[in-house]
Amino acid sequence: NAGVTQTPKFQVLKTGQSMTLQCAQDMNHEYMSWYRQDPGMGLRLIHYSVGAGITDQGEVPNGYNVSRSTTEDFPLRLLSAAPSQTSVYFCASSPITGAGANVLTFGAGSRLTVL
Amino acid sequence: QQQVKQSPQSLIVQKGGISIINCAYENTAFDYFPWYQQFPGKGPALLIAIRPDVSEKKEGRFTISFNKSAKQFSLHIMDSQPGDSATYFCAATDSWGKLQFGAGTQVVVTP
Repeated sequence: NAGVTQTPKFQVLKTGQSMTLQCAQDMNHEYMSWYRQDPGMGLRLIHYSVGAGITDQGEVPNGYNVSRSTTEDFPLRLLSAAPSQTSVYFCASSPITGAGANVLTFGAGSRLTVL
Repeated sequence: QQQVKQSPQSLIVQKGGISIINCAYENTAFDYFPWYQQFPGKGPALLIAIRPDVSEKKEGRFTISFNKSAKQFSLHIMDSQPGDSATYFCAATDSWGKLQFGAGTQVVVTP
């Protein structure tokens, strides 16, 4: 199993450009989420989804959009990148019920630099 | 405002020593407290977790101690090894499953 796959691993953008970070999981997890990791701030939740067609905001949603059209995919869109969005982004998923509930499986991360 | 406060920010321990990381929370609705371990260039991975109905959980050299009345929990790494050098995050969640992470502790184990 591939687990959680994130692409791209690295990206450099100019201020104002748009882009999409891709996230796919092959574990049939209902719950998917995006976090950003910044030094001294830990991991902060951006958006999350508990199933196809359902999304909600996390702690730091401004400047980001998400959609969940399938169980497997949960892309994160930056519509107009800003330098404050320079960060490492992690996608994570978990089942909602059962023994694995709340046990997040993380992707390897996407490092984004906005100039 | 972080709902889970973690300390210290970093620590250095000699091989064979004990590493202790502390976390505190305010939200009494939290009912699941995991610890994640992250190596450079990798995503975090679950290390060990505890629920508030127990005061201690041990898995190998890793132990969580939980104090519900003080709203504090800690990770102890016994007999620390160089391979334990990583960043450790405590976290907490309520029944909605949205994990709130601490700021992280970078642990360096010297040979």
